[in-house]
Amino acid sequence: GAVVSQHPSWVICKSGTSVKIECRSLDFQATTMFWYRQFPKQSLMLMATSNEGSKATYEQGVEKDKFLINHASLTLSTLTVTSAHPEDSSFYICSARSPTGGGENSPLHFGNGTRLTVT
Amino acid sequence: QQQVKQSPQSLIVQKGGISIINCAYENTAFDYFPWYQQFPGKGPALLIAIRPDVSEKKEGRFTISFNKSAKQFSLHIMDSQPGDSASYFCAASPGTSYDKVIFGPGTSLSVIP
Repeated sequence: GAVVSQHPSWVICKSGTSVKIECRSLDFQATTMFWYRQFPKQSLMLMATSNEGSKATYEQGVEKDKFLINHASLTLSTLTVTSAHPEDSSFYICSARSPTGGGENSPLHFGNGTRLTVT
Repeated sequence: QQQVKQSPQSLIVQKGGISIINCAYENTAFDYFPWYQQFPGKGPALLIAIRPDVSEKKEGRFTISFNKSAKQFSLHIMDSQPGDSASYFCAASPGTSYDKVIFGPGTSLSVIP
């Protein structure tokens, strides 16, 4: 079964509102989680690295004030899209690495994504 | 600039045939090369991965071939099945940060009966 859970799986919101997406590691603790964005028929682009107990690290070109990340606990990271606009409509996916082994030997698990549509 | 290139963009293969997807990279710091499979509306799932000190890795019907000098690697799906129809992404990570997964642009595979 899935080891990383995202909620909601889809959301529709009006332009100007904020939307929160949750990412949970179900059976392991994740000090680091990752948020990706994927446009239709395109690849995943890493947006930011969420760190438990410290600030998120954002990739170049990603607005940190637009995409607020909070790693509230060792099993939960949230992404809030603030003042959403239609161009923010996308598929948002989180991932986390289960701790066994370390490095590339620990599998990187992805959530099933959240489809955001801003009208 | 695309750090990981992938081709073809889309691929149609008959059931039982071989599906071949090619990738290339430039950054010599990349040290880990996973392949992900993604079905519509789902997150990607790790299919198979390889390190550059190995030229080939096989898991069931899936084989990765790696050419370090050419900085190219490919995925072969033998005996392709309709259930293999999905998007496939090659990816790369630097040895200093395996968590930083850089995805290729993806290949949409359709296996027709």
